[in-house]
Amino acid sequence: EIVLTQSPATLSLSPGERAALSCRASQSVSSYLAWYQQKPGQAPRLLIYDASNRATGIPARFSGSGSGTDFTLTISSLEPEDFAVYYCQQRTNSPLTFGGGTKVEIK
Amino acid sequence: EVQLLESGGDLVQPEGSLRLSCAASGFAFSNCAMSWVRQAPGKGLEWLSTISGSGARTWYPDSVKGRFTISRDNSKNTLYLQMHSLRVEDTAVYFCAKRQWLEGGAFDYWGQGTLVTVSS
Repeated sequence: EIVLTQSPATLSLSPGERAALSCRASQSVSSYLAWYQQKPGQAPRLLIYDASNRATGIPARFSGSGSGTDFTLTISSLEPEDFAVYYCQQRTNSPLTFGGGTKVEIK
Repeated sequence: EVQLLESGGDLVQPEGSLRLSCAASGFAFSNCAMSWVRQAPGKGLEWLSTISGSGARTWYPDSVKGRFTISRDNSKNTLYLQMHSLRVEDTAVYFCAKRQWLEGGAFDYWGQGTLVTVSS
């Protein structure tokens, strides 16, 4: 099973600041990594697929990078609605696995 | 507009069974793989199963293989998850999720979830 480790667990930032979230895989997932945003009481929403492709309707301030075992989700300038939990997920091998999440909170 | 609406969540006793449904609309249902993902209270996301667009292929993690069965009825645009031998640790919100392609891809649309509580 591929383990995805997200860091930090919590990121405390102010609106307008840049956020960089890390996801590290226990073995190579090539570029088959996605990022999701989840707000309390809501379903996850796909932000980025295949490491760097923005999903439909996702603002340009969200970007993804990386390949192999190290990936980053960057939010260039945090908007109030961006404070949420973010998960990475790999689809290279079964079982599909998610990271433990990074909570982006208001400082 | 893609819509996924889960139903069937309930309070069930340990060792009981439950069938969840997910009604889909707004896209070509038979052209997309579908999955179930769950989230225990206050925890992260766990993938449970995937079924191909035709229904011919299914995938499960070892944690639920043999207890959970995914199926679909493309004539009704509906996805199902049959769960048996439920355990307290199966308590979670269960989401259905559309996959991008016929047999995989990212989870590009999600339902709002249905709550399953396993307790005596």
